[in-house]
Amino acid sequence: TQLLEQSPQFLSIQEGENLTVYCNSSSVFSSLQWYRQEPGEGPVLLVTVVTGGEVKKLKRLTFQFGDARKDSSLHITAAQPGDTGLYLCAGAGTTDSWGKLQFGAGTQVVVTP
Amino acid sequence: KAGVTQTPRYLIKTRGQQVTLSCSPISGHRSVSWYQQTPGQGLQFLFEYFSETQRNKGNFPGRFSGRQFSNSRSEMNVSTLELGDSALYLCASSKVTSQGIQYFGAGTRLSVL
Repeated sequence: TQLLEQSPQFLSIQEGENLTVYCNSSSVFSSLQWYRQEPGEGPVLLVTVVTGGEVKKLKRLTFQFGDARKDSSLHITAAQPGDTGLYLCAGAGTTDSWGKLQFGAGTQVVVTP
Repeated sequence: KAGVTQTPRYLIKTRGQQVTLSCSPISGHRSVSWYQQTPGQGLQFLFEYFSETQRNKGNFPGRFSGRQFSNSRSEMNVSTLELGDSALYLCASSKVTSQGIQYFGAGTRLSVL
């Protein structure tokens, strides 16, 4: 059972369109990470959000952490083919369990030229 | 700064054999976590080691074990391999004060025939 629910599971869009990926849970997390993974490679860290209501921007990517620290979203503006990949959210619990991330199932994003 | 290094990148084994995977963390990172990634289950936490001690453990059978050395390098071992153990095994390292921020290696792709 995935404690972190990601939606949608799959997104196929044209270059230049916008997209949003959601990550929801009934659990409170001390922090939430977003990763992007390419086939056959390990996940690459995009951002970490820690404070409820926090918004972080990374070029065309905007990340938001919910006020109650139970949910998060990733918004990509004007998507490019290089944004193609598996996007994963991962939550960390208490200090003793920071090394034990709980992952969502992932959202496969495909951006076509 | 070198990233997380996992060796080997690919392994092919037969049922009943055992396998050892290796992980060298980022310099200065003392926590190492291991995850199993499969198409059906996604990323699942195996265990975390810190200062040569297992600090957290996931819900995997005792055939899965690990250890950490004084230089923070870690190994994981799977004994009596089963077909279902075929997966991408990922290692991640983090600082003590990471708040859940982990950096992943490229993984070891294990195929059990």
